[in-house]
Amino acid sequence: NAGVMQNPRHLVRRRGQEARLRCSPMKGHSHVYWYRQLPEEGLKFMVYLQKENIIDESGMPKERFSAEFPKEGPSILRIQQVVRGDSAAYFCASSPPGLSHSGANVLTFGAGSRLTVL
Amino acid sequence: SQKIEQNSEALNIQEGKTATLTCNYTNYSPAYLQWYRQDPGRGPVFLLLIRENEKEKRKERLKVTFDTTLKQSLFHITASQPADSATYLCARGYTGGFKTIFGAGTRLFVKA
Repeated sequence: NAGVMQNPRHLVRRRGQEARLRCSPMKGHSHVYWYRQLPEEGLKFMVYLQKENIIDESGMPKERFSAEFPKEGPSILRIQQVVRGDSAAYFCASSPPGLSHSGANVLTFGAGSRLTVL
Repeated sequence: SQKIEQNSEALNIQEGKTATLTCNYTNYSPAYLQWYRQDPGRGPVFLLLIRENEKEKRKERLKVTFDTTLKQSLFHITASQPADSATYLCARGYTGGFKTIFGAGTRLFVKA
């Protein structure tokens, strides 16, 4: 029973290039979340998606960043025209379609994708 | 604004002692708080969840408390071991919602 799978684990891009990060949620999970973590900092919420829908993108930068979770295939976080400040670890998490009996939402995280912009 | 805050300074303790980490929240009342562990180079792993109507929750050597008067959750690791060294993250959610917000985390170092 594979957990949340992220790839690539490491990605190096030059300024101005595009970065695409992929996330396959845990089996049976229909909610996907993307977080960004800068060195020595906490996790910053970016976006929450369900299949074919963006539910909450309040943490996503307005420009250059986009996310999708198509009906088939993994969720993708896309960063266009990368800049050095985009260098970070990007974590994907997933959760089941419903909340627990206590009304809580527990996340299962992937190992992260580390983006380095030269 | 709604904030969740953790002590950004690292906590250094001796093996066998109890580690206590603090999570404070302001300007809102979360329905529950969660604690996660993150090791270097890895994603966070869920440890414990405590609801607002629960005073205390335990799991093996871990204990979490929730004080709605102080707007604070405490995370305790008893009989700490070097293997407990990691960053511990506090997170908040709200009943019926899916968005989860994390504190900055507190690094714990347990010395043998």
